[in-house]
Amino acid sequence: DAKTTQPPSMDCAEGRAANLPCNHSTISGNEYVYWYRQIHSQGPQYIIHGLKNNETNEMASLIITEDRKSSTLILPHATLRDTAVYYCIVDNYGGSQGNLIFGKGTKLSVKP
Amino acid sequence: DGGITQSPKYLFRKEGQNVTLSCEQNLNHDAMYWYRQDPGQGLRLIYYSQIVNDFQKGDIAEGYSVSREKKESFPLTVTSAQKNPTAFYLCASNLGLGNSPLHFGNGTRLTVT
Repeated sequence: DAKTTQPPSMDCAEGRAANLPCNHSTISGNEYVYWYRQIHSQGPQYIIHGLKNNETNEMASLIITEDRKSSTLILPHATLRDTAVYYCIVDNYGGSQGNLIFGKGTKLSVKP
Repeated sequence: DGGITQSPKYLFRKEGQNVTLSCEQNLNHDAMYWYRQDPGQGLRLIYYSQIVNDFQKGDIAEGYSVSREKKESFPLTVTSAQKNPTAFYLCASNLGLGNSPLHFGNGTRLTVT
């Protein structure tokens, strides 16, 4: 069973911030939140992960609510190349057991 | 640049033939994984290996086999016993520790007719 819930699709205007939500109400204390994205016909690409605190890197920001039951991935200035399926995953091994559950994700369409 | 290389990108085989998909990484990662992705679906784990000469079955290992003779290489063989082999196959690797993110190759699309 999927541990996360994401909207199936979202649109965003080019140059605007894209805010992708994820619900993970059953997350346990030692589980991290990971975000990956997959551009059509390519392998998934790691974006960012976090445990409790908000995180930022060169690609995106991750905002995790205080109760950790939901999070938001923020792409600050979306470009056409950000059009992809975005996966939110919770896991306490980071894939070291190979059992990351990739659900259906959110298909983000960035429009000119 | 370090990364994971999967080859070939497209592969066509006749039903009843075994086929081997290549996966090589130069990231010095200990752990490697094979996933299968069907249209509109998430990823399903086939096999994974956390160390050379050792590997474990994932959720859908039937009809597949792997080997891990070198740290850099983790080839996947799709045998004739796999009932629905046509799919997009993804190889990944990571440090195998704690919260190490996965790094993926760009996949091999296998079509069996």
